[in-house]
Amino acid sequence: DVVMTQGALPNPVPSGESASITCQSSKSLLHSNGKTYLNWYLQRPGQSPQLLIYWMSTRASGVSDRFSGSGSGTDFTLKISSVEAEDVGVYYCQQFLDYPRTFGGGTKLELK
Amino acid sequence: QVQLKESGPGLVQPSQTLSLTCTVSGLSLTSNSINWIRQPPGKGLEWMGVIWSNGGTDYNSAIKSRLSISRDTSKSQVFLKMNSLQTEDTAMYFCASGNWWFAYWGQGTLVTVSS
Repeated sequence: DVVMTQGALPNPVPSGESASITCQSSKSLLHSNGKTYLNWYLQRPGQSPQLLIYWMSTRASGVSDRFSGSGSGTDFTLKISSVEAEDVGVYYCQQFLDYPRTFGGGTKLELK
Repeated sequence: QVQLKESGPGLVQPSQTLSLTCTVSGLSLTSNSINWIRQPPGKGLEWMGVIWSNGGTDYNSAIKSRLSISRDTSKSQVFLKMNSLQTEDTAMYFCASGNWWFAYWGQGTLVTVSS
């Protein structure tokens, strides 16, 4: 299985500051078609996960442009510019190159 | 408006079989795949399996021997059955639509395995 490893945030993050969440995969997620098979989700407290980013850097419908995704084949970053109260929760990366689909362990964002 | 809603027993005894239903509205099961994903209390997400728009299935190899996913397209329902439940199967169970990313999720249903 592809192992997804996420880094921690130096919580709490001051409101208005930027935050970067890292994710590393045990196998390159860069396909020969040039696309990277990596998604990001946010799970707010008490809610279901919400899709933020797919294909490593494409924002899902309705997602704020404060969220941006970047990376290489195995190292990825989700950047949140100007963190707001509604950004609080746990962020997950997920790969869809191989079966089983696998998620990172989650990165918690707390607001100061 | 797309909606997915999970339903199930809430409490299951060890060694018994879990049966869950995901009722879908706003999208067609013959054009969309439905996944089952679970989350133990306070822990991360585990993809369990998928039923594709053509009715085919794929399962997580870690639980494949215990898991079955099926559907009734006339009722827009997807079913999960997992046998030989143990306490470590206690989790919130979500259904979610999507082939590669999970764009729509249900609210989840909590399943507790306990005698």
